[in-house]
Amino acid sequence: EAQVTQNPRYLITVTGKKLTVTCSQNMNHEYMSWYRQDPGLGLRQIYYSMNVEVTDKGDVPEGYKVSRKEKRNFPLILESPSPNQTSLYFCASSLLGAPRDNSPLHFGNGTRLTVT
Amino acid sequence: AQSVTQLDSQVPVFEEAPVELRCNYSSSVSVYLFWYVQYPNQGLQLLLKYLSGSTLVKGINGFEAEFNKSQTSFHLRKPSVHISDTAEYFCAVSEGTTDSWGKLQFGAGTQVVVTP
Repeated sequence: EAQVTQNPRYLITVTGKKLTVTCSQNMNHEYMSWYRQDPGLGLRQIYYSMNVEVTDKGDVPEGYKVSRKEKRNFPLILESPSPNQTSLYFCASSLLGAPRDNSPLHFGNGTRLTVT
Repeated sequence: AQSVTQLDSQVPVFEEAPVELRCNYSSSVSVYLFWYVQYPNQGLQLLLKYLSGSTLVKGINGFEAEFNKSQTSFHLRKPSVHISDTAEYFCAVSEGTTDSWGKLQFGAGTQVVVTP
């Protein structure tokens, strides 16, 4: 089944303890992206990647890192999490890099992160 | 840069009644427009999209939307809702000239609650 898989689904951690949220897609997609969803703000993009070894900042990259060493995986790293990073995180992927290519975005089921 | 405004944060509606979710955008260039639906504890799914051509766009689950360039709107409608349409709905816009999904902007979301 074609899908975007995020792990874990739920994560509670403490301030300053490094964590990684994994994202994997099995559709050979070039484009991958991370969003955070907060009430009243919709989804805001954190980082995105057009292909292997190519990453760019989105609208809210501060406090986050990503890597794209292989096509299928795009982990999100919080080196020193803080309470304001408590949020619902989504990974997404697309076959090609642009909406005009008519390749839709596929979303994972989300990771709910709580930082105390 | 473009932006998106969803005018209603919550829309209560009775089963089998019609619903309209309003979305307005601002952009100085041509745009691509999208509506996504998020069911509880799930990621976002594409309902419909406007890339070019006919301004009336039909999507899945009986939803449709109309692109109105003069009013910079992309309102979503369904003539008769079901209980299963209870979800959060997001409008999103991307520049029509963009070469990247990285320019996609989401609205804050509209929660639709369908009651019997």
